[in-house]
Amino acid sequence: NAGVTQTPKFQVLKTGQSMTLQCAQDMNHNSMYWYRQDPGMGLRLIYYSASEGTTDKGEVPNGYNVSRLNKREFSLRLESAAPSQTSVYFCASKVGGEYNSPLHFGNGTRLTVT
Amino acid sequence: GQQVMQIPQYQHVQEGEDFTTYCNSSTTLSNIQWYKQRPGGHPVFLIQLVKSGEVKKQKRLTFQFGEAKKNSSLHITATQTTDVGTYFCAGISGSARQLTFGSGTQLTVLP
Repeated sequence: NAGVTQTPKFQVLKTGQSMTLQCAQDMNHNSMYWYRQDPGMGLRLIYYSASEGTTDKGEVPNGYNVSRLNKREFSLRLESAAPSQTSVYFCASKVGGEYNSPLHFGNGTRLTVT
Repeated sequence: GQQVMQIPQYQHVQEGEDFTTYCNSSTTLSNIQWYKQRPGGHPVFLIQLVKSGEVKKQKRLTFQFGEAKKNSSLHITATQTTDVGTYFCAGISGSARQLTFGSGTQLTVLP
């Protein structure tokens, strides 16, 4: 039982390059999330998927796209990376849309855009 | 939009001293969750508070939710080096649909 698995763990991109961050969970959770973490700013929600087949914008969606491939997998794509997207990206999941279930986080992807 | 403020941003304590972090919202929260993130790690869920005035304890950790459900605190008694990390609060207000995280308090415990 791996929980939430993110790949890759580290990535360096040049400005303008694209990449996809992968996330998979094996807990049969309905809801999945992508956050970015920057120093002093906590965790900010990029996109989320409340259930399979749906995706919604979070607080900071510009420059990103997502795909809920199936119930297990939720990917985050940067079409044209910018230095402002240098950050640590966390994928998370939880049981369902109800507000009182806890988030389970992956180990994160550390992305540097030069 | 909904904002959750957390103070202090940093706290250094000697091992054995107490530590408190505070979380404040401008709007009434439906719930408050607390997470801990060890250095280089990922956030891990600690606890959730839902009721007005609720107090919960986990060993040396005491969590409180304010009567007006606009603030919360985490108090650690007699800190240990294993308490090192960043503590985040996160809450949902009535109008929001997803959790908003505070900026976190980074705790350093000096041996």
